[in-house]
Amino acid sequence: EPEVTQTPSHQVTQMGQEVILRCVPISNHLYFYWYRQILGQKVEFLVSFYNNEISEKSEIFDDQFSVERPDGSNFTLKIRSTKLEDSAMYFCASSDDGNSGANVLTFGAGSRLTVL
Amino acid sequence: AQSVTQLGSHVSVSEGALVLLRCNYSSSVPPYLFWYVQYPNQGLQLLLKYTSAATLVKGINGFEAEFKKSETSFHLTKPSAHMRDAAEYFCAVSDQAGGFKTIFGAGTRLFVKA
Repeated sequence: EPEVTQTPSHQVTQMGQEVILRCVPISNHLYFYWYRQILGQKVEFLVSFYNNEISEKSEIFDDQFSVERPDGSNFTLKIRSTKLEDSAMYFCASSDDGNSGANVLTFGAGSRLTVL
Repeated sequence: AQSVTQLGSHVSVSEGALVLLRCNYSSSVPPYLFWYVQYPNQGLQLLLKYTSAATLVKGINGFEAEFKKSETSFHLTKPSAHMRDAAEYFCAVSDQAGGFKTIFGAGTRLFVKA
């Protein structure tokens, strides 16, 4: 069964360092997403991406965050200068229909980011 | 804006007992509602979805959920819990007003006792 893969599964970094989280979405999906979950809190929407551009982003997704689809298969989330409050589990998801209510997301297993 | 509230961060049931996980939503337009499940070290997986057809929706692994507009609820049930049902369950909502962006609740962790 096709799956979304994420790397790394866990990353520890120092505050102020840049972090890149990588995702390989399902190959025939066209819509891509990043969500995050701070321990014990909600799964929060960060950004959606379609046709090589951001289609929507939340207020969490400030100038420190960026996304890219560099090579047609990978979908990356970059945090330029990490803060303590960026510590969370980051989930990548993809779907083949992001423009209807029946949109079903396929998630990766997540990347746990710990900022010290 | 749409939102979801899941009542109870932890629910514990005995094997064979009824499972009831509560979810209430807020949406200004007809919602689409989902339950996702997350097993340890895995991503979220779709259990079931409501898309304005039948109000009682059946999903995988014997789970079902009923859409009640008057109560703005979409509670998840299973008649008889099994040990393998132990996982975290997320209720989610999307609607046209929100650009079909999926918004998740905080999750409910289900424990199943032998």
